Amino acid sequence: AQSVTQLGSHVSVSEGALVLLRCNYSSSVPPYLFWYVQYPNQGLQLLLKYTTGATLVKGINGFEAEFKKSETSFHLTKPSAHMSDAAEYFCAVSENRGYDKVIFGPGTSLSVIP
Amino acid sequence: GAGVSQSPSNKVTEKGKDVELRCDPISGHTALYWYRQRLGQGLEFLIYFQGNSAPDKSGLPSDRFSAERTGESVSTLTIQRTQQEDSAVYLCASSLATGGAYEQYFGPGTRLTVT
Repeated sequence: AQSVTQLGSHVSVSEGALVLLRCNYSSSVPPYLFWYVQYPNQGLQLLLKYTTGATLVKGINGFEAEFKKSETSFHLTKPSAHMSDAAEYFCAVSENRGYDKVIFGPGTSLSVIP
Repeated sequence: GAGVSQSPSNKVTEKGKDVELRCDPISGHTALYWYRQRLGQGLEFLIYFQGNSAPDKSGLPSDRFSAERTGESVSTLTIQRTQQEDSAVYLCASSLATGGAYEQYFGPGTRLTVT
């Protein structure tokens, strides 16, 4: 069965510092991987996704994530945090088998300190 | 074009009452999903529809929960005999097609409070 873990329910970084949000998954088949963001009082929106091909994927707002099969990880990074990055971030996995259930991780709340 | 819409945006109900939540997906999206998000927690998968059929209902918490979709369009999630633990934000999402690689577009959610 698929599952997603996100290390750290809350992460705080200083403005301008590196953002690193960790995600590990388990899947019996090659996965599709996603990061979604939920800004305060807004709906979820897709940041980026990995399906096949290049393992380093770039998303909106300067975020990127790298799929590492050997580590079953899909960590999200951004070189320099902005105040506007404060939000809840969800990692998600969907098995690459035409099955449609996407399993979300518990989420990481990112705070950016001025 | 219009995104996913959900109604009502907020619903307060008394314990034991039935509630019906509505989701209007993006036009042309064949796949539709329902999730539950309890306060401070992640998304909990409830059910998904491919067209009008629901291949996976495994996430429905109990037989008090049911969902239907008509005309590959609107979906309703019904909760019978509501309990306080049903209080949560119920999110609906739709995607262009199935297969796992397609982005899910989320609605704003319905905040359900059971008193």
